Amino acid sequence: QKEVEQNSGPLSVPEGAIASLNCTYSDRVSQSFFWYRQYSGKSPELIMSIYSNGDKEDGRFTAQLNKASQYVSLLIRDSQPSDSATYLCAVNIRYKLVFGAGTILRVKS
Amino acid sequence: DGGITQSPKYLFRKEGQNVTLSCEQNLNHDAMYWYRQDPGQGLRLIYYSQIVNDFQKGDIAEGYSVSREKKESFPLTVTSAQKNPTAFYLCASSITGVDTQYFGPGTRLTVL
Repeated sequence: QKEVEQNSGPLSVPEGAIASLNCTYSDRVSQSFFWYRQYSGKSPELIMSIYSNGDKEDGRFTAQLNKASQYVSLLIRDSQPSDSATYLCAVNIRYKLVFGAGTILRVKS
Repeated sequence: DGGITQSPKYLFRKEGQNVTLSCEQNLNHDAMYWYRQDPGQGLRLIYYSQIVNDFQKGDIAEGYSVSREKKESFPLTVTSAQKNPTAFYLCASSITGVDTQYFGPGTRLTVL
């Protein structure tokens, strides 16, 4: 089992819809969780971090964490074509950041 | 401007050559990291350093070497022992080893 798993996609949503990206992780003691966005040919940029169970909102983005289920998700409301990118989930496991392979999101106008 | 710089942006290497990738940060971060990304894959940790003059191997350290003589700098050498070095190399830094990591723009290495 991979330490951090994401559906590779692509996930296609129409402009204005909600995009839902999911991530599961294997280490029960992980305390820090991150979502990065990566455009083709560019480096990852941080979208959100989350440390506690529940929801954390920042503009159009909401991160959700459920430590009991070892599950973290990212919701993007009012999706825009500029949101089309690869979204990387990262989990701090034993003081190292472990990345999932990423989910490709395509927002169709 | 505070940030992380990597140079060069593109690098071409002949087989059998060693090459060094530069990573500099002026964020006053203690921890620095090197990752490798292959097409369609996530990031894999090569080496990391949590403090000056100390560094640890990551998951794929074979064929790579690093140094951390200054807080601002964490160069990565790709040696001839690395059999498949063509990849996108990313440097990152964080305040400490458990904090959010921020990435430089990356270096794309191609072996000719």
